[in-house]
Amino acid sequence: DAGVIQSPRHEVTEMGQEVTLRCKPISGHDYLFWYRQTMMRGLELLIYFNNNVPIDDSGMPEDRFSAKMPNASFSTLKIQPSEPRDSAVYFCASSPLQGWGYTFGSGTRLTVV
Amino acid sequence: AQSVTQPDIHITVSEGASLELRCNYSYGATPYLFWYVQSPGQGLQLLLKYFSGDTLVQGIKGFEAEFKRSQSSFNLRKPSVHWSDAAEYFCAVGPGGGADGLTFGKGTHLIIQP
Repeated sequence: DAGVIQSPRHEVTEMGQEVTLRCKPISGHDYLFWYRQTMMRGLELLIYFNNNVPIDDSGMPEDRFSAKMPNASFSTLKIQPSEPRDSAVYFCASSPLQGWGYTFGSGTRLTVV
Repeated sequence: AQSVTQPDIHITVSEGASLELRCNYSYGATPYLFWYVQSPGQGLQLLLKYFSGDTLVQGIKGFEAEFKRSQSSFNLRKPSVHWSDAAEYFCAVGPGGGADGLTFGKGTHLIIQP
């Protein structure tokens, strides 16, 4: 089992550019979560999916953020346009149906300059 | 709304000494509780979890945690720390076994002195 795979590991982009973060959950996990981690705010839940359907996106900071899960093995988090305050580490995590705790990916460190 | 408080931002412990990291939670129903560890540049790894039953739970790497409902606490302990335990530790609470989204504390940074 390769675990939760995120790409890229690091992303540096200019303000105003579109950024797409990618996640491959563990096979058989029905829940997928996107978190953002910053020094000031800690870990924040942005959105989560159950069986590819978005369940709660109340944590998405604003309309510039969007997430999709077109199939059980792939999800994206898109920021358009990006701003310097979006700089953070973005984590994807997945969980089986019974919720035995998350398995996190290694994260994407996003820097917007 | 659920919340988690980790009162200690930093803790320094000598190698071989015992460790206790504090976690207090606020949750309206029976909580599902977790401890995670994060090494620099890495994702979070699950150390242990409490869903129900025995209030003392054992985890990986020699860690244990005790659920105390009366104190709304879920403190993490280890009898003897190793230099490799230096990391960031997060307590989390959530409903439904965590399948509906966890709320994390701000973390405790553990420093190990030689």
